[in-house]
Amino acid sequence: EPEVTQTPSHQVTQMGQEVILRCVPISNHLYFYWYRQILGQKVEFLVSFYNNEISEKSEIFDDQFSVERPDGSNFTLKIRSTKLEDSAMYFCASSPSGASYEQYFGPGTRLTVT
Amino acid sequence: AQSVAQPEDQVNVAEGNPLTVKCTYSVSGNPYLFWYVQYPNRGLQFLLKYITGDNLVKGSYGFEAEFNKSQTSFHLKKPSALVSDSALYFCAVRDVSGGSYIPTFGRGTSLIVHP
Repeated sequence: EPEVTQTPSHQVTQMGQEVILRCVPISNHLYFYWYRQILGQKVEFLVSFYNNEISEKSEIFDDQFSVERPDGSNFTLKIRSTKLEDSAMYFCASSPSGASYEQYFGPGTRLTVT
Repeated sequence: AQSVAQPEDQVNVAEGNPLTVKCTYSVSGNPYLFWYVQYPNRGLQFLLKYITGDNLVKGSYGFEAEFNKSQTSFHLKKPSALVSDSALYFCAVRDVSGGSYIPTFGRGTSLIVHP
């Protein structure tokens, strides 16, 4: 069964550094998402991406964040200058359409900012 | 605006007993409702959804959920719990009439099934 993959599984970085989290969505899906989950807290939406552009974003997704689909398979989340409070589990998800379909989540990247 | 509430942080049940994980929602229009499960150090896995049709929805691993429009609830149920069902369960809602494709997730309920 096809699945969403994410790399790395764990990323440790120093405050102020740039990080890029990578995702490979399911190949025939059209909608892509990033969520984050701070330890013990709820899953929070960051951004959705469709047709090579951002379709929706939350207030969390400020100028420090960007997303890209550089080559038709990878979907990346970049954090330009990490802060301690960016430490969280970051999940990528994809869905075949936006309308009624459930989302398929990757295993997540645990980002630790020191 | 759309919102979802999971009133219980934790549910404890003995193996073999029925389980219920509660979820209530609020939307302006009609809801799309989802249940996801998260095992330790894993991503969320889709369990089941209500879009339209029968109020009783059956999903993976023997789980089912009942859509109750008058009570704005979508409780997750299983007739006989297994220890392996122990995990974090998330309810999610999306307003069909809203312009957003993004579901709102609840805070999650930790299900602990005791042997």
